[in-house]
Amino acid sequence: EAQVTQNPRYLITVTGKKLTVTCSQNMNHEYMSWYRQDPGLGLRQIYYSMNVEVTDKGDVPEGYKVSRKEKRNFPLILESPSPNQTSLYFCASTRDPTDTQYFGPGTRLTVL
Amino acid sequence: TQLLEQSPQFLSIQEGENLTVYCNSSSVFSSLQWYRQEPGEGPVLLVTVVTGGEVKKLKRLTFQFGDARKDSSLHITAAQPGDTGLYLCAGVTGNQFYFGTGTSLTVIP
Repeated sequence: EAQVTQNPRYLITVTGKKLTVTCSQNMNHEYMSWYRQDPGLGLRQIYYSMNVEVTDKGDVPEGYKVSRKEKRNFPLILESPSPNQTSLYFCASTRDPTDTQYFGPGTRLTVL
Repeated sequence: TQLLEQSPQFLSIQEGENLTVYCNSSSVFSSLQWYRQEPGEGPVLLVTVVTGGEVKKLKRLTFQFGDARKDSSLHITAAQPGDTGLYLCAGVTGNQFYFGTGTSLTVIP
């Protein structure tokens, strides 16, 4: 089954404690992306990757890091989380930006 | 940077009514997509429009891309309770996606 998986689905942490949210896709897609979704603001793109070892900043990259060492994986790293990073995070992948973008199930992060 | 404005933000209608959701921007997009999102799930793509003036139909849903590729609309005919959800437009420029603020639709049986 074609899918994008994210882990964990729910995470409660404290300010400053480094965390990683994993994302994996099994569709051999070139393009992967991370978004955050906040009430009234819609989805905002954090980082995206056009291919292995190629990553670019989206609209709201501050406080986040990503890496693309393998085509299927695109982890999101918060080196020092802060409460304003409390949000619902989605990973997505697609063959290219004009094609169907498949979203993962989401990770709800709370930073205390 | 919020490039796409959706209206209305909330919409509650009776089953069988028609509705239109608007997605407006001052920016030009190479393509525009519409998604529907159910609670607790990720967005699911409904359609992609690429050409200015393009109209696409998906059963009771009609999507239009503005001539200048700056705006789009989604029209639902004879809404059904199964249409309930959050509708999101997303413009693509360069290799980046810019999502609208969303329209939460409730169709009352």
